[in-house]
Amino acid sequence: GEDVEQSLFLSVREGDSSVINCTYTDSSSTYLYWYKQEPGAGLQLLTYIFSNMDMKQDQRLTVLLNKKDKHLSLRIADTQTGDSAIYFCAETYTGGFKTIFGAGTRLFVKA
Amino acid sequence: DTAVSQTPKYLVTQMGNDKSIKCEQNLGHDTMYWYKQDSKKFLKIMFSYNNKELIINETVPNRFSPKSPDKAHLNLHINSLELGDSAVYFCATSDGTNSPLHFGNGTRLTVT
Repeated sequence: GEDVEQSLFLSVREGDSSVINCTYTDSSSTYLYWYKQEPGAGLQLLTYIFSNMDMKQDQRLTVLLNKKDKHLSLRIADTQTGDSAIYFCAETYTGGFKTIFGAGTRLFVKA
Repeated sequence: DTAVSQTPKYLVTQMGNDKSIKCEQNLGHDTMYWYKQDSKKFLKIMFSYNNKELIINETVPNRFSPKSPDKAHLNLHINSLELGDSAVYFCATSDGTNSPLHFGNGTRLTVT
């Protein structure tokens, strides 16, 4: 079935690294995505990884993909209070016309 | 210049009423979507349109009727509103298959 799973909460101290994990079901997904949602706003694309890659780095963000275990993670280095938000993992089905989201991980950053 | 804009931002109405939410995009994308986000922030796809044609209808009650008058617009009409329809509704667009989604800021619907 179509399912993307994430843990719901993560709390870190400012300056520490945050690691948000996700498992997905469709091994044929071409791209896997991370979106960020701040209060009262829509989701914004944070980063994505192509399925033939193992890792992608973009400034403070590192995405790791383990295709064998269908596991995706997002690491945020030097986490700041402005990083407090909900982070959604997502994958795309049905020829790319249907994106399924995880339940979202609420990241709390303590000063 | 907002890429994906939804109106209204807030909508409070009574059970049984009919209401519409509008979405407009200026990105030139071919595909538009409606998503529903519940109070627990769970996001579920409702509809997907590609070039004004319905591609995905994700077992949504037929009280919900999307309409795409042109590629830049996708509206959502809801008949006979129920308490359980209270949620935030997001419009989104994408440029082709397997492309990331661009979201509007959402319409918070409250049914009393």
